Amino acid sequence: GAVVSQHPSWVICKSGTSVKIECRSLDFQATTMFWYRQFPKQSLMLMATSNEGSKATYEQGVEKDKFLINHASLTLSTLTVTSAHPEDSSFYICSPPPSGREYYEQFFGPGTRLTVL
Amino acid sequence: AQKITQTQPGMFVQEKEAVTLDCTYDTSDPSYGLFWYKQPSSGEMIFLIYQGSYDQQNATEGRYSLNFQKARKSANLVISASQLGDSAMYFCAMREGVKNAGNMLTFGGGTRLMVKP
Repeated sequence: GAVVSQHPSWVICKSGTSVKIECRSLDFQATTMFWYRQFPKQSLMLMATSNEGSKATYEQGVEKDKFLINHASLTLSTLTVTSAHPEDSSFYICSPPPSGREYYEQFFGPGTRLTVL
Repeated sequence: AQKITQTQPGMFVQEKEAVTLDCTYDTSDPSYGLFWYKQPSSGEMIFLIYQGSYDQQNATEGRYSLNFQKARKSANLVISASQLGDSAMYFCAMREGVKNAGNMLTFGGGTRLMVKP
């Protein structure tokens, strides 16, 4: 299956700081990347979709200025949580659409656990 | 309105027995795909099984099978011969427009399965 990596796997930061999460597709090129957020004991909710060469699209209720998404290349998408607050503590997971492969192969990165103190 | 509903927040099953995890969905799109994922405590999302809306037969993958009842809009996951390692969260998800890989997945609330020795 597709290999997707995320860095860091976990991060603890102070309130008010910014945190960048990287998502890399290691064996294929991704023109799009889905970013999901999972609060403790809850399900995955789509936050935004990054697009190579154009602006990201955000789901309703997700602050664009707070969650900066950049699709830097065909193998790298980043999510930056700016001025993080404790309520941003969550599990962030990226997922590339199965472009060019079996359309049901929806894989996920290993996730980044963010804790804001 | 909820597109994916998992009515069992938690389930217990005895080791070596079979268990059914329920999932109902709602869509007006005639073309859709249904997914099941396993999420252990590490957080990684492990793809288990897929069912397309036009598939004539129920999907099977090893000990996993999907009881697809299209008229009832249900896609229950059956795990046979439960093992201790099956203890995890299980998520049902749907992609509308099955061959449009650019569409994101919508997830249900999840079911926590606990296998008793």
